[in-house]
Amino acid sequence: AQSVTQPDIHITVSEGASLELRCNYSYGATPYLFWYVQSPGQGLQLLLKYFSGDTLVQGIKGFEAEFKRSQSSFNLRKPSVHWSDAAEYFCAVGAQGDYKLSFGAGTTVTVRA
Amino acid sequence: ETGVTQTPRHLVMGMTNKKSLKCEQHLGHNAMYWYKQSAKKPLELMFVYNFKEQTENNSVPSRFSPECPNSSHLFLHLHTLQPEDSALYLCASSFNKMADTDTQYFGPGTRLTVL
Repeated sequence: AQSVTQPDIHITVSEGASLELRCNYSYGATPYLFWYVQSPGQGLQLLLKYFSGDTLVQGIKGFEAEFKRSQSSFNLRKPSVHWSDAAEYFCAVGAQGDYKLSFGAGTTVTVRA
Repeated sequence: ETGVTQTPRHLVMGMTNKKSLKCEQHLGHNAMYWYKQSAKKPLELMFVYNFKEQTENNSVPSRFSPECPNSSHLFLHLHTLQPEDSALYLCASSFNKMADTDTQYFGPGTRLTVL
């Protein structure tokens, strides 16, 4: 079965600074990978996804993620964060032939002025 | 966001109460999901329905009873809950690709507090 680890529980970043959130997955074959964001009191919103093809994926709100098979990683990046990016971020992995997603425990991002 | 809606947004209930959570999706999807989100824990998949048929029950206690009358609506009936059932309950939907992973779209959730 697939699994996801998000090593950072909480990250604080200054507004305008760059942000990188780590995601490591465990799965034997090619995974399907997702990043979701959850603002306080809200559900999960899809930021981007990787199924196949180009390993650098562009998403909404200026986010991008890179799939690195050799490192079993799918890290999320944003060059310049805005105060509205303060939220909880979840990485998820799915598998070919299985509709279920496995989610990481999430990383909380705080943005300071 | 009107793709997946959930009501109520907040619910406080006693352990002897019976209540229901409602989810509705306006995306033309055929698969619907219930998740439980507890603080600092990964999302827990509870139930999955595909074309109104339950295809997954992830060892959920019987005090949670799902119902899917059609592909657009999903309910979670609650009775004799325990305080540890307090959590955010999220509904999601996706197109019918039950043999493969597909993108799931989430509702805003119902924040449940059991007293």
